[in-house]
Amino acid sequence: GEDVEQSLFLSVREGDSSVINCTYTDSSSTYLYWYKQEPGAGLQLLTYIFSNMDMKQDQRLTVLLNKKDKHLSLRIADTQTGDSAIYFCAEGTNDYKLSFGAGTTVTVRA
Amino acid sequence: DTGVSQDPRHKITKRGQNVTFRCDPISEHNRLYWYRQTLGQGPEFLTYFQNEAQLEKSRLLSDRFSAERPKGSFSTLEIQRTEQGDSAMYLCASSYSGAGETQYFGPGTRLLVL
Repeated sequence: GEDVEQSLFLSVREGDSSVINCTYTDSSSTYLYWYKQEPGAGLQLLTYIFSNMDMKQDQRLTVLLNKKDKHLSLRIADTQTGDSAIYFCAEGTNDYKLSFGAGTTVTVRA
Repeated sequence: DTGVSQDPRHKITKRGQNVTFRCDPISEHNRLYWYRQTLGQGPEFLTYFQNEAQLEKSRLLSDRFSAERPKGSFSTLEIQRTEQGDSAMYLCASSYSGAGETQYFGPGTRLLVL
């Protein structure tokens, strides 16, 4: 996903909040997504936000969207060891394909 | 509750051999997608179907790759004359058009070409 950029690594202490950032380039994006991938597994949809929203909260997850800056973030409250995984940001610009970032590896330390 | 399933989960083959992967989408989903993911990268779009029609193919999909969805349900992805560069995770996803286009992914098929 050359059009979607994410920082590669994040280390966070158990119980703290994690914030994963993403920037995208296509202003015609309609939906933006966060997926989680554990080792050797497929992608699990965590949450998504429609481009006319600026915030969405779902339990421990908060998504913030700054459409002007094309910036998306995912905040995980009270990070647990089970949150250790790779997190992918993806934009849906057309009716079908998603463009993904390279993923942010989140490591939760005790 | 059945999600997207893929078979096989792992495949090791020798260069030059043909391989075929299968994807079974969520039953009421009319759209099916194939992506490829290499190590350290996000998934890259390969192709997608709406019902049985293949509507888009990425330029990543060389002539050695072919995908079908004959009855608008399961899909197969075949790679002919495999090359070492084909080694990757092949992911299938499905969605229902009109429902926010949320794509749900299967567990993937990991291909290793020796």
